[in-house]
Amino acid sequence: EADIYQTPRYLVIGTGKKITLECSQTMGHDKMYWYQQDPGMELHLIHYSYGVNSTEKGDLSSESTVSRIRTEHFPLTLESARPSHTSQYLCASRETGAMYEQYFGPGTRLTVT
Amino acid sequence: AQSVSQHNHHVILSEAASLELGCNYSYGGTVNLFWYVQYPGQHLQLLLKYFSGDPLVKGIKGFEAEFIKSKFSFNLRKPSVQWSDTAEYFCAVKVGGGADGLTFGKGTHLIIQP
Repeated sequence: EADIYQTPRYLVIGTGKKITLECSQTMGHDKMYWYQQDPGMELHLIHYSYGVNSTEKGDLSSESTVSRIRTEHFPLTLESARPSHTSQYLCASRETGAMYEQYFGPGTRLTVT
Repeated sequence: AQSVSQHNHHVILSEAASLELGCNYSYGGTVNLFWYVQYPGQHLQLLLKYFSGDPLVKGIKGFEAEFIKSKFSFNLRKPSVQWSDTAEYFCAVKVGGGADGLTFGKGTHLIIQP
């Protein structure tokens, strides 16, 4: 079944640790996105990709980095986690030319202690 | 930068009541508009979208929305809600140019009481 997956769903980690949030989609979509959402707040775009080897920063500045080595995979990395990184991270994808209809994963809820 | 305002952060209704959730955006050019819904424990999913043409768009599960350009609004409506409509509803906009992503409102938490 075509879908978009994120792991882990929940992560509690200490300050200073390096973490990678995984996102994979089986729909063959070229375009992928990462959004950050604090409780009760808007989703903010932090990264996007047009395809393999393409990554761009979004509207909200983020200390995270992303890579796109394979079409289906778009991981997000924090080199040194801090409490200010505590948030929910949502991955999305869409077809090129699909008029911006994005499909979302279930999200990763990150807590940095 | 564009922004999206959702006026009601929490709405509580009884079953069979009519629903209208407000959404306004701040951008004067061409926009694409969306309503997404997140049911408890589930992914965000698309309810409906507007790109061009008829300003009254119909979505899944009996929802509809009307684009009023002069008011910069895209309000979501449903004539008779059900308990299963309990969810978080997000309005989003894509403007021409800029970063290739959606700008979201803060969401409206809708609770339907049986």
